Amino acid sequence: AQSVTQPDIHITVSEGASLELRCNYSYGATPYLFWYVQSPGQGLQLLLKYFSGDTLVQGIKGFEAEFKRSQSSFNLRKPSVHWSDAAEYFCAVGAPRERLTGGGNKLTFGTGTQLKVEL
Amino acid sequence: DAGITQSPRHKVTETGTPVTLRCHQTENHRYMYWYRQDPGHGLRLIHYSYGVKDTDKGEVSDGYSVSRSKTEDFLLTLESATSSQTSVYFCAISENRGGHDSPLHFGNGTRLTVT
Repeated sequence: AQSVTQPDIHITVSEGASLELRCNYSYGATPYLFWYVQSPGQGLQLLLKYFSGDTLVQGIKGFEAEFKRSQSSFNLRKPSVHWSDAAEYFCAVGAPRERLTGGGNKLTFGTGTQLKVEL
Repeated sequence: DAGITQSPRHKVTETGTPVTLRCHQTENHRYMYWYRQDPGHGLRLIHYSYGVKDTDKGEVSDGYSVSRSKTEDFLLTLESATSSQTSVYFCAISENRGGHDSPLHFGNGTRLTVT
């Protein structure tokens, strides 16, 4: 079974600084990888996803993530953080060809990283 | 934003009482999910549905039941609420083709407190 670890519970960065949020996964092959963001009082929104191909993927809101097979990582990055980026970020992993009964998405979520942005 | 409405948004209830949370979608998506979110646990799947009257258990289904009598509505019921079910509950949907090519879209959540 797949698993995902987000080592940092809280991260604080200054506005305009660069950001990297860590995500490590455990799976026997290349999984499907996702980053979601949750603003206060809101549901989760998909930032980006990786299935195959180019290991650097671009997402919405200026975020990108890089898949590194050798490190079993899928870290999220942003060159310059804005105050509106303060939120909780979740990494999730799905196993290719593994679905829930009836074909639904079988995702395992990390425990989240809370990002605080200092002005 | 995907048309997902969760109701109520907040609820406080007493131990032992039944509680029903509602998820309503306007996207006509086949798949609907109920997750709970707890600090230190991320999101965990409670139950999900792959069609009208077609449901299955997730990893934390004990104490919960679900029903889906119409495509647009997915109900989560706590038969007898316990304090351990205090949590934030999220409904999600995904498109008809299924699989990870169809990402999850989430509602805004229901904050449930069991006293």
